[in-house]
Amino acid sequence: QVTLKESGPGILQPSQTLSLTCTFSGFSLSTYGMGVGWIRQPSGKGLEWLANIWWDDDKYYNPSLKNRLTISKDTSNNQAFLKITNVDTADTATYYCARVHYGYNPWGQGVMVTVSS
Amino acid sequence: DIQMTQSPSSLPASLGERVTISCRASQGISNNLNWYQQKPDGTIKPLIYYTSNLQSGVPSRFSGSGSGTDYSLTISSLEPEDFAMYYCQQDASFPRTFGGGTKLELK
Repeated sequence: QVTLKESGPGILQPSQTLSLTCTFSGFSLSTYGMGVGWIRQPSGKGLEWLANIWWDDDKYYNPSLKNRLTISKDTSNNQAFLKITNVDTADTATYYCARVHYGYNPWGQGVMVTVSS
Repeated sequence: DIQMTQSPSSLPASLGERVTISCRASQGISNNLNWYQQKPDGTIKPLIYYTSNLQSGVPSRFSGSGSGTDYSLTISSLEPEDFAMYYCQQDASFPRTFGGGTKLELK
């Protein structure tokens, strides 16, 4: 069974760096073809794709946030990470990670992040 | 970027009814279209991949079709648990993009 779970700071202040962790089980990011993606959703709004990382460390970012995003992985501990620098209130959202497998499948439960002074 | 436009944004329907949600891409996406269901608690469930393939465990009342720029999700007979938000998503190219969502509501 594949599961993913996101964790994050909950609340942070504008201009800080948001660090998110996706801890997964049931697959390995060292296996050929495997990937993890990050997607976010502001409250009451739609889904926005942020970044993907693959088994071979290939990475793709949403160009609308590219300069602020860094995705990485720790294959030994079955984790993927996303950092967003210089956050502001527009980054307040629920952040999801998901396995890249025939689309995004499955998804984590999401972690809510609030940016507020 | 490929823009994904879903319609309708809101769909009132009754139990047992057949409904269809549409998704249009701003350019051809060669069937690289996925569908997801989101419940009010935020849980997101993958439904269909590559236009018409049901994810494991998804009931057969769900189906997908389409080609080129136009795609659709059909639920043949609505069950109570089907009232939720639905999103389409293209993975033909980066950046990946989602439709704006369709809220399937009980009439």
